Amino acid sequence: ETGVTQTPRHLVMGMTNKKSLKCEQHLGHNAMYWYKQSAKKPLELMFVYNFKEQTENNSVPSRFSPECPNSSHLFLHLHTLQPEDSALYLCASSQDTGGLTDTQYFGPGTRLTVL
Amino acid sequence: AQTVTQSQPEMSVQEAETVTLSCTYDTSESNYYLFWYKQPPSRQMILVIRQEAYKQQNATENRFSVNFQKAAKSFSLKISDSQLGDTAMYFCALEGSNYQLIWGAGTKLIIKP
Repeated sequence: ETGVTQTPRHLVMGMTNKKSLKCEQHLGHNAMYWYKQSAKKPLELMFVYNFKEQTENNSVPSRFSPECPNSSHLFLHLHTLQPEDSALYLCASSQDTGGLTDTQYFGPGTRLTVL
Repeated sequence: AQTVTQSQPEMSVQEAETVTLSCTYDTSESNYYLFWYKQPPSRQMILVIRQEAYKQQNATENRFSVNFQKAAKSFSLKISDSQLGDTAMYFCALEGSNYQLIWGAGTKLIIKP
């Protein structure tokens, strides 16, 4: 699967570090998403971008800062994270967000560990 | 509120057997989509099958089929002739009123040789 790629695949960081997660989609989609996946919990939607504009921010702490410079790229900037932020972060894309037929395609995720 | 519930945290079956994963949901919408996604150990979330609520016919994709009971708000996934490569986490999801996906907690499926 190369439609949606994420880098890095694994990341270990201290609570005072600043790092960024990158997502790139090669599907020509207009919408991109960040999800947090913690063990034994449903996926949590964090942010939604449609045509580079943020359309959803599901009460995510400000230590997570998204950036969408164009429809193909999505970043998640991390700073002063907490150990409970350790999780798998998944990126997804879909053709649009405006209809019932927009299937989301996922990247392989970044496994983040905060020490 | 829209919710998705997967009541089976883990299941295991022998290779070639048929297995059914349960999913129930709640929504006040009359038209919506339901999805089953598979997440193998490689972590890539892959769409398995989707169902349009207004279609009475159950969706099928090769060995995967669903039993969609709209009145009961049930959306189970049946895997026939299970294979070792079917070992994965399976997530049921509902496309909500704001077009966002509402996810279940997942069922870990293990196919034993």
